[in-house]
Amino acid sequence: SAVISQKPSRDICQRGTSLTIQCQVDSQVTMMFWYRQQPGQSLTLIATANQGSEATYESGFVIDKFPISRPNLTFSTLTVSNMSPEDSSIYLCSVEWGGGSDTQYFGPGTRLTVL
Amino acid sequence: GDSVTQMEGPVTLSEEAFLTINCTYTATGYPSLFWYVQYPGEGLQLLLKATKADDKGSNKGFEATYRKETTSFHLEKGSVQVSDSAVYFCALIAGGTSYGKLTFGQGTILTVHP
Repeated sequence: SAVISQKPSRDICQRGTSLTIQCQVDSQVTMMFWYRQQPGQSLTLIATANQGSEATYESGFVIDKFPISRPNLTFSTLTVSNMSPEDSSIYLCSVEWGGGSDTQYFGPGTRLTVL
Repeated sequence: GDSVTQMEGPVTLSEEAFLTINCTYTATGYPSLFWYVQYPGEGLQLLLKATKADDKGSNKGFEATYRKETTSFHLEKGSVQVSDSAVYFCALIAGGTSYGKLTFGQGTILTVHP
């Protein structure tokens, strides 16, 4: 399986600021995904990020709030913009591994607290 | 739309007890089904998967069988250990335009006491 790292692992931010989360994979992958896990809740897909194309956002998530970059096959960033306390969550990236196997592996997550 | 429903939690068991966590799903076509586990303070790990009807996924003593007729994928383990204490998520990937999108259940907290 792929080894996935995220930076930062956690952060505490002030309302109105932005935070960029990085996701690094040790192998080249086509499909990367960003999920949000709100406190005590399940995971919800924010967007799919494929290299060489614009990210595809799920209903309820917009590019202005969660801009995503995917400059190459091993790296992606998610920015949480103009943050409010409701954005306090764990943000996880995942990659599809195994060439169309449907199997996704997850990074360790970034725990964000907005004051 | 696609959805996953897990049994209400939390679940508390004694060591060596039998575990069942129920999971049912609604999806178009023939989804792939997964169980993920989140140990305290750790990230999400794939526990097992099944990609077609009647497939049985298994790992670390856990098993789940893809039952198309009952749209279920219940997780079982014959003898749980304290180290199995974690949050368990059932999930699916549907086909078609939902490709790649994991839809998760709400998670079930399992606590195993010595």
